[in-house]
Amino acid sequence: DGGITQSPKYLFRKEGQNVTLSCEQNLNHDAMYWYRQDPGQGLRLIYYSQIVNDFQKGDIAEGYSVSREKKESFPLTVTSAQKNPTAFYLCASKQGATTEAFFGQGTRLTVV
Amino acid sequence: AQSVTQLGSHVSVSEGALVLLRCNYSSSVPPYLFWYVQYPNQGLQLLLKYTTGATLVKGINGFEAEFKKSETSFHLTKPSAHMSDAAEYFCAVSLTSGTYKYIFGTGTRLKVLA
Repeated sequence: DGGITQSPKYLFRKEGQNVTLSCEQNLNHDAMYWYRQDPGQGLRLIYYSQIVNDFQKGDIAEGYSVSREKKESFPLTVTSAQKNPTAFYLCASKQGATTEAFFGQGTRLTVV
Repeated sequence: AQSVTQLGSHVSVSEGALVLLRCNYSSSVPPYLFWYVQYPNQGLQLLLKYTTGATLVKGINGFEAEFKKSETSFHLTKPSAHMSDAAEYFCAVSLTSGTYKYIFGTGTRLKVLA
């Protein structure tokens, strides 16, 4: 079945450590997205990529980094520079600017 | 720049009553508009979308929405609420050209009362 896979579902990180969240899609979509979700704040765009080897900052990119070396993969690294990383992270993909996005099941990151 | 505003972070309705969730957008070019539903600790599922053509759009689970350009609105409605409709709902906007940026509103949590 085609879809988007995020792993792991739950992730714990110590303060000061970098951590990478995985997102893989087999939908052959060009565009991929990372959102952060906090209670009462909706989905805020971190980074998005329209094509391999290219990505753009979203509204809250500080403290995060991404890469897009393969069409099907768009990993997100939460760096130690991110001051408040505890949140629910959602990855999405879409084909073209005009279609709907498909979402993974999310990764809940907790800093301990 | 494009943006989405959802009025009402929490909405409560009685079972069987009308559901109305509000969404207004701001966009310099004609937008494409979407409504999604999210259940706890899950990803988002598409309810319906407006791209071109008929401005009244029907989606899954009995929901529908009407695109009103003059009011820059895309409100979501359902004639009769069911307990299973309790969830969080998000409106999203995508531009018709130039960028793949995809922006969401802050969400509305719907509570259905027995």
